[in-house]
Amino acid sequence: EVQLVESGGGLVQPGGSLRLSCAASGFAFSSYDIHWVRQATGRSPEWVSCIGTEADTFYPGSVKGRFTISRENAKDSVYLQMNSLRVGDTGVYYCARGRGGYFDLWGRGTLVTVSS
Amino acid sequence: DIVMTQSPDSLAVSLGERATINCKSSQSVLYSSNNKNYLAWYQQKPGQPPKLLIYWASTRESGVPDRFSGSGSGTDFTLTISGLQAEDMAVYYCQQYYNTPLWTFGQGTKVEIK
Repeated sequence: EVQLVESGGGLVQPGGSLRLSCAASGFAFSSYDIHWVRQATGRSPEWVSCIGTEADTFYPGSVKGRFTISRENAKDSVYLQMNSLRVGDTGVYYCARGRGGYFDLWGRGTLVTVSS
Repeated sequence: DIVMTQSPDSLAVSLGERATINCKSSQSVLYSSNNKNYLAWYQQKPGQPPKLLIYWASTRESGVPDRFSGSGSGTDFTLTISGLQAEDMAVYYCQQYYNTPLWTFGQGTKVEIK
């Protein structure tokens, strides 16, 4: 089955760290860009990071310097290391497959809650 | 950043009727070299991830019912649901992928059954 499965979410205090994982199956993982997109409750999705097929990485200003995306093609997996977490980083984090610039496959997400 | 603005924020439509959602980008997402609009539409139902409906502004993703159609060019786009079904109740988002690597979404339009 073609799918993405996220894991690693949880409750963390402000200033803390968390590492999310995204496991892919059913497609040629190494041939695709993979993104992380987050969504706070009642809000629209917000793009968080991207890793290209050559392991080139991209971030918006809101997370640059705090988040690090990486991939391990041998395990068909992508990771998101999140440091210096803030209350505003709270939300459901989805990994998504990029195709031509749009996102054609999404995981079901993992919830990250940053709270004291 | 390209800001995506959708209208309305919500709408109620009777079953079988047409729903029309608008999306306006703060700058053109039409790439002149290939004449393609870098605009996608997604559907999100409660508790589920977004699902790709339309890309290149008007190309329907495989498996998406043909009652969903996209139109527009440059800065103004429309998603039309012709013959609304009960399962179409959801929030719909537009997204630009012209100004990468900085993908942005609209604020969403909630479609309800009247």
